[in-house]
Amino acid sequence: DIQMTQSPSSVSASVGDTVTITCRASQDISSWLGWYQQKPGKAPKLLIYAASSLQSGVPSRFSGSGSGTDFTLTISSLQPEDFATYFCQQADSFPWTFGQGTKVEIK
Amino acid sequence: QVTLRESGPALVKPTQTLTLTCTFSGFSLSTNGMCVSWIRQPPGKALEWLARIDWDDDKYYSTSLKTRLTISKDTSKNQVVLTMTNMDPVDTATYYCARIQTTTTPRYFDSWGQGTLVTVSS
Repeated sequence: DIQMTQSPSSVSASVGDTVTITCRASQDISSWLGWYQQKPGKAPKLLIYAASSLQSGVPSRFSGSGSGTDFTLTISSLQPEDFATYFCQQADSFPWTFGQGTKVEIK
Repeated sequence: QVTLRESGPALVKPTQTLTLTCTFSGFSLSTNGMCVSWIRQPPGKALEWLARIDWDDDKYYSTSLKTRLTISKDTSKNQVVLTMTNMDPVDTATYYCARIQTTTTPRYFDSWGQGTLVTVSS
């Protein structure tokens, strides 16, 4: 199975900051990488697919980059509603696997 | 509007079989490119993909759980059913069903149910 490793596991930031989360795959997954946002007690929400494509309805302050094994989710100008946990997911090969999550907390 | 809703027992005993139903609306699993997956999340932990069923009845399973899982669909009822045998306390988790549209966001979950918490305990 492909292992997905996210870093950091948590980050403290203030409204207006730029936050960067990284996800590393244990093998080449091309651009088969998605990012999800999850708030407490809620289901995850798709933000980014195919490493850099913004899902419909998602604010443009969210962006994704990378290919191969190293990927990045960037949140520019952090808003109060962005404080949540973020997961990456590889979709290159079955079984699909997720990273362990990165919690974005209020500083 | 796409909606998905999971239903099933909140509590199961060890060794029992869990049966979960995902009832959805706003799309049809007989439409080319539509798929439904099950994903679970133990309390405070990461997401784990379990299984997927496609419009053409192709099925895919988690490597580590495939001997315990069965996914099926009833297109006429807009339902997908997941069964998991030989339940153990480590299977305690919130279980989600989610949709995949291979024609727009292939291999990614674009709509999710609210999740159902299943606790395994004697």
